[in-house]
Amino acid sequence: KAGVTQTPRYLIKTRGQQVTLSCSPISGHRSVSWYQQTPGQGLQFLFEYFSETQRNKGNFPGRFSGRQFSNSRSEMNVSTLELGDSALYLCASSLAPLAGDTDTQYFGPGTRLTVL
Amino acid sequence: ILNVEQSPQSLHVQEGDSTNFTCSFPSSNFYALHWYRWETAKSPEALFVMTLNGDEKKKGRISATLNTKEGYSYLYIKGSQPEDSATYLCAFRGGGGADGLTFGKGTHLIIQP
Repeated sequence: KAGVTQTPRYLIKTRGQQVTLSCSPISGHRSVSWYQQTPGQGLQFLFEYFSETQRNKGNFPGRFSGRQFSNSRSEMNVSTLELGDSALYLCASSLAPLAGDTDTQYFGPGTRLTVL
Repeated sequence: ILNVEQSPQSLHVQEGDSTNFTCSFPSSNFYALHWYRWETAKSPEALFVMTLNGDEKKKGRISATLNTKEGYSYLYIKGSQPEDSATYLCAFRGGGGADGLTFGKGTHLIIQP
C-alpha cells in the first residue's frame, strides 16, 4: 500500500508570494491533517479535514487555508508569505478521527518551505 | 491553548538500560492520547493510540500506560538499543473528539553504545 505523499518536497519562495502544497493520503483514508514544524517548536496543528469538511483549525492566521477533494487529496495554501512561515509542513492521513486505532496518523515526508 | 508537556526534554541512556518518560495533558474532555516516534530524516511513525483510562499497550520492547483522571501517560522502553534513538512525541485529542491533535515538544532519546 502506498504511503502518504506530499508535493513538492522543497520549495523556495519570497515574501509576499503565495504557495500551495499538496497531500495525497493512503488509499481508503478519509481524514487529512496538516502540521507545521519550526525549529524549537513541536508540531503545530494547522487544520484537519474529513470527508471534504474542515473539522477544526489550529491557532494560525487566515493566510493559512486548506481544502480536501472528493478523492481525499488535500491542499493547503499560504498567502502573503512571511519569513516566519519558513518551516517543514507535514500532512498526515488516518482512516477517520474516531476513538481508537482508526485515528492513527500516517505522516508524509513533508514539504520544506523556505521564504526569503 | 492546550498544554501538552513532555519530560524530560532529552535523555541519554546506555545501551541495554531501560528508560521511561512522561506526557502530561489536560484531564478534562479527554478523547485520545497518541504516541509517535520521529527519527532524524524520517517521518513520525505511530506507536500507540490510547483511549481508555488504565490502558496499557505494548509493541515489542516499548509499552505505554494511560491515566486520564490525572492527565498523564508514560512510555517505557526496555533494554534500549541504538535504533531506539529518536524523538518521542505524544499528542492529545480533546473536546470529545472534536479538537485537532495537540502535540508535545517531544523527548529526544539518545542511546549510547
